[in-house]
Formats: sequence, C-alpha cells, structure tokens
Amino acid sequence: QSALTQEASVSGTVGQKVTLSCTGNSNNIGSYTVAWYQQISHGAPKTVMFGNSLPSGIPDRFSGSKSGTTASLTISGLQPEDEADYYCSTWDYSLSAVVFGGGTKLTVL
Amino acid sequence: QVQLVESGGGVVQPGRSLRLSCEASGFTFSVYAMHWVRQAPGKGLQWVASLLYDGSQKFYADSVKGRFTISRDNSKNTLDLHMNSLTPEDTAVYYCARGRQLVPDENWGQGTLVAVSS
Repeated sequence: QSALTQEASVSGTVGQKVTLSCTGNSNNIGSYTVAWYQQISHGAPKTVMFGNSLPSGIPDRFSGSKSGTTASLTISGLQPEDEADYYCSTWDYSLSAVVFGGGTKLTVL
Repeated sequence: QVQLVESGGGVVQPGRSLRLSCEASGFTFSVYAMHWVRQAPGKGLQWVASLLYDGSQKFYADSVKGRFTISRDNSKNTLDLHMNSLTPEDTAVYYCARGRQLVPDENWGQGTLVAVSS
C-alpha cells in the first residue's frame, strides 16, 4: 500500500484536458515538493514536473499544482505520445523516506 | 549534460551479494543528494535508499534496511549500493537518480537489472 494515493487508470481523447491526482497527508505532500514522473513501457522514468517547474524539454501542455495534501498533474491538449504510467513522489517527514504513489495508467483513446 | 550510468546488475542466487554502481557526470556531484529507486517486473516505482550530498545521512526503505548499504565517493563521482542477503523479491531494475529537495529530480539513469534466482 502506497503512502500516496493515485487513480489506477485515467483515459482521455486526443486534445482533451485530463487531471491526475496524488493524495497524501501533512507529513508529505502538505510539506514538501512533489515531483511527477512519466514512464513509457517500463523504460527509464522521465520527470515531467518538479514542484511547479516544467523540466527542460517537457511540453507546456503539462502543468502541476498542489492544494493542501493533494497534488495534481494536468495535461491540456492530450497527445497520443502522452499515453504512459505516471507516478507522483515526495518526501515523508514521519517516515524519513521518499514515497511514491502507486501510479496512474493514462490511456489516450 | 547530466549523465547517470548504472552498472553491476546481473543474475545472482538467493542469499548472495551484489554491488551496483552509478557513475555521474555533467554536474557537481558533491552538492547533490542521490537516490536509488527500483521497479520490480510489472510493478510500480519503489524507493530503495537515499544519501545526502556529503554522505552524512542515509535513509533506507524498510524492505532493505539492514541488508543494503548506500555510499558515495565524491572524489570519483560515484554512488554505490551494496546489496546483501538478496531474495527473489529484490529482483528489479535499479535506477539511480539525482536528488533535489529530498526527491529524485529530472535526472535518472537508464537502470540496471538485478535478477535473484536459483
């Protein structure tokens, strides 16, 4: 059981806006930077959002936000190449550990 | 550009040991925390261990505590993971990642596969 809770699966059509969520608590998301990672076909993870910053080379259709103990990754204008597994991660003060969500499988219909 | 290259993976029998290494380049290695993250076949990402920039503090997942040791050599820009008493549950691709604000940032290696099997 993951410390961070993500939807198991989300789907959307090309061009649609989709939002993935990541729910934690005050010991993790509520206090620390949240990062989002994209993984295609179990290749190496690629960071698509680090806090509120978009890493170099990531399209600006990706955006991130945080409200209290929930973080969100929004993809505006979904593209076929966005189909992937997405994981959120942050530090947990009470566990003294990096924690990951269980991952969301994003399907582009 | 930043590069992280893992090595040392392979097939190992249960109960044996293995050492993974991660060679870093393209950034000032000595000022960054570093992480090991793994992914078992068909499973999600799982954090393994983290080490602060100067090696002063180490953190481990409960599943590897007492068996794995993370270390670094800032003079050689290398990060190691010494793994003892391996079990089939340790079978995974192991990634090293650079850290900022206590989590893996934009820089990950390509991973090295560890398969524990008799």
